Amino acid sequence: QAVVTQEPSFSVSPGGTVTLTCALSSGSVSTRSYPSWYQQTPGQTPRTLIYNTNVRSSGVPDRFSGSILGNKAALTITGALADDESDYYCALYLGQAIYAFGTGTRVTVL
Amino acid sequence: QVQLVQSGAEVKKPGASVTISCQTSGYTFSTYFMHWVRQAPGQGLEWVGQINPRGDSTRLAQKFQGRVTMTRDTSTSTVYMDLHSLTSDDTAVYYCGRDGSLYAAVNWGQGTLVTVSS
Repeated sequence: QAVVTQEPSFSVSPGGTVTLTCALSSGSVSTRSYPSWYQQTPGQTPRTLIYNTNVRSSGVPDRFSGSILGNKAALTITGALADDESDYYCALYLGQAIYAFGTGTRVTVL
Repeated sequence: QVQLVQSGAEVKKPGASVTISCQTSGYTFSTYFMHWVRQAPGQGLEWVGQINPRGDSTRLAQKFQGRVTMTRDTSTSTVYMDLHSLTSDDTAVYYCGRDGSLYAAVNWGQGTLVTVSS
């Protein structure tokens, strides 16, 4: 089965910019993968940030943006805040009503 | 507003089965698929499967086929997930997530902790 891979961790300075990526072992990620992104702090329910590649979920600030970069999905945080320190997961649609989450990226703001 | 309320924590012995419910409100139940996602302690999110509340069809990740059943009750706007033949590897928080018709869960239940221990 396909594996969805993310960077294990990233560190970003307050006010800085960081781009997380989401890769698919079996090939390229495209808009037809309908990539989505989720934020989760330990012990909390996931929060949906982005769906359908680049659509922000209700209430999500515009410092979060989604895109396709090369053959990967990407989540960019522009102007990082201390509150953005979390785990971030991507999810991809693999076809035939099957989905997979990525391995997750822990973002530290310091 | 959309609300997903899950059943309470469960403790089960290996080999047993567990049923988790997800009662919904605030939207037309039959219109949107429901995902089930789990998270083992200290681990990442794992997609279990989804159910179409309109026709009761389901799709499961390969590793759960034959061990997970998903059903729905349209009269109470509730979806259920049954997990059979439990092992300690099934110890996790299980979440239901409403699909927003754009291939993503956009609303989440609060999670249900299932602990499998002898």
